Amino acid sequence: GENVEQHPSTLSVQEGDSAVIKCTYSDSASNYFPWYKQELGKRPQLIIDIRSNVGEKKDQRIAVTLNKTAKHFSLHITETQPEDSAVYFCVGTSYGKLTFGQGTILTVHP
Amino acid sequence: NAGVTQTPKFRILKIGQSMTLQCTQDMNHNYMYWYRQDPGMGLKLIYYSVGAGITDKGEVPNGYNVSRSTTEDFPLRLELAAPSQTSVYFCATSFWTSTQTGNTIYFGEGSWLTVV
Repeated sequence: GENVEQHPSTLSVQEGDSAVIKCTYSDSASNYFPWYKQELGKRPQLIIDIRSNVGEKKDQRIAVTLNKTAKHFSLHITETQPEDSAVYFCVGTSYGKLTFGQGTILTVHP
Repeated sequence: NAGVTQTPKFRILKIGQSMTLQCTQDMNHNYMYWYRQDPGMGLKLIYYSVGAGITDKGEVPNGYNVSRSTTEDFPLRLELAAPSQTSVYFCATSFWTSTQTGNTIYFGEGSWLTVV
């Protein structure tokens, strides 16, 4: 099955800095790579996703990059704000079976 | 359109008791999933289903059972509750076919279960 590794497990930044979270996956058949944000006590919410025929996708301050050869994809958040503080998960998607990364606790200090 | 509905939201069980977590969706999604999330940890797949009548184990299936008699419902059964099953449980759905892959995953609000 799919193996997903996510780093770092915690990330602390100052407001306005950039944050980068990386994931590697094992199944070369995976072709869809979403990122989810989970606030305390809430369900995970999709923030951005990318398909394997695209190398980069951007949505305002959030971007995702994909390197299929190296089997890794990354989440980039620019101009971080305190409301970006949350847990972020990457997801491996092998034939519809969804495997979550271990999660990254992002803390943005004002 | 309610999306994914989970019940109950909170439950306290005694060791050895049994219970069923209900999950219903009205989006006609073929894939349904059950995850558990322990405090401060990630989501681990318990069971999933690719359609009515078909279920398969995930990473942590021991102590749980599922069934999928309809497209809409995917209940999770705990037979003999143990303290190790104290967790938050999320039901999720998605639509996935060989030609239409990579659609948004929708989550229920979660069910907080404590076993004492």
